[in-house]
Amino acid sequence: AQKITQTQPGMFVQEKEAVTLDCTYDTSDQSYGLFWYKQPSSGEMIFLIYQGSYDEQNATEGRYSLNFQKARKSANLVISASQLGDSAMYFCAMRENNGGSQGNLIFGKGTKLSVKP
Amino acid sequence: NAGVTQTPKFRILKIGQSMTLQCTQDMNHNYMYWYRQDPGMGLKLIYYSVGAGITDKGEVPNGYNVSRSTTEDFPLRLELAAPSQTSVYFCASSYSWGDYPRRTDTQYFGPGTRLTVL
Repeated sequence: AQKITQTQPGMFVQEKEAVTLDCTYDTSDQSYGLFWYKQPSSGEMIFLIYQGSYDEQNATEGRYSLNFQKARKSANLVISASQLGDSAMYFCAMRENNGGSQGNLIFGKGTKLSVKP
Repeated sequence: NAGVTQTPKFRILKIGQSMTLQCTQDMNHNYMYWYRQDPGMGLKLIYYSVGAGITDKGEVPNGYNVSRSTTEDFPLRLELAAPSQTSVYFCASSYSWGDYPRRTDTQYFGPGTRLTVL
């Protein structure tokens, strides 16, 4: 079974509007971390935001926020006030803590976001 | 800080050739990783290292070897290159923080190496 599912292969958003990129995950661990990375057309992987399973508040980093719904096992990325430079692939990833021994980072297949002027 | 650097940026190999992808980090991170990214896919872990002298296999290790003689360097060796190894290769490093169950780390990636095997 897939550990990380990103159901939107591609999305469009108008500049200055907000957009939500979906991510659901599958784990039986109580302790795990969720990450979002951005990959622009130049190819590098840029860390955006992190959410720990025990964090009580949703993570925020500037225009990025993570809508963490633990019971539903979802960790959606919200980008507010989209900019043309936000056009990129976005990857959701998870790391399980395996009772203290950290598991490896597992990536979803990504969502391609295109921002329209 | 340069962060994570990788060389070369591009390389074309013939089937059966060998090569080493170089990775260096200057952040004094203990953990280092090698991933491959095939077209339209997420990253898959090839090998990782939790410190100098310690390496372990990831999800897709076949056809690759690694070594970690220093904290800074984590080269990936391809022996007998095959077309199936055509991919973009990313090196990453991280440090762990926090106590269990809140322990985690954040991985920082190099710019990638685009490898084509013909």
